[in-house]
Amino acid sequence: VQLVESGGGLVQPGRSLKLSCAASGFTFSDYYMAWVRQAPKKGLEWVATISSSGSTTYYPDSVRGRFTISRDSAKRGLYLQMNSLTSEDTATYYCTRHGLRIDFDYWGQGVMVTVSS
Amino acid sequence: DIQMTQSPASLSASLGETVSIECLTSEGISNDLAWYQQKSGKSPQLLIYTTSRLQDGVPSRFSGSGSGTRYSLKISGMQPEDEADYFCQQSYKYPLTFGSGTKLEIK
Repeated sequence: VQLVESGGGLVQPGRSLKLSCAASGFTFSDYYMAWVRQAPKKGLEWVATISSSGSTTYYPDSVRGRFTISRDSAKRGLYLQMNSLTSEDTATYYCTRHGLRIDFDYWGQGVMVTVSS
Repeated sequence: DIQMTQSPASLSASLGETVSIECLTSEGISNDLAWYQQKSGKSPQLLIYTTSRLQDGVPSRFSGSGSGTRYSLKISGMQPEDEADYFCQQSYKYPLTFGSGTKLEIK
């Protein structure tokens, strides 16, 4: 299993950014996928989950209405569109696969997003 | 939302010592509790899921137990490579929530 994120960087407050994750080594269309973030020197925060078919999504209140998770099974890609970014969104964002229960059994290496003027 | 209270925040252990980390949940989670290890500068890795099941490749010195609202991770015989941050996570319902983490260091 390999998960490789891309698309991070420095972005101004109020702007948008889209993260991508390339998945390989497993049957992508069989698994729920998710994004988890970690602010510098802080703990882990779940950001979004998408069902295996892509028909159902879940978000915490902190990002609902601003972030959108999506997937493309043909490209084996997972995405996170982030709008109206604030400094509170500064973090390393991890692409993850959901395991047997809604835990996270595989993680990418992470991509840094910095929101600053 | 289910609140996760993890303790201690930090812990120092000698090589070979047995250590325990606790996670309390604000409501019952039917054993849907996972533990993660994050070494410095690395991504988290799943250690244990559904309270006590070891992820493939995880050494048997790691074990998990608990029920209801009280869960724990035990390392039986601290090794140098166990120095890391550890997080619990409830996998019972959305929104998914994590404990605040335990920093485990070698004494």
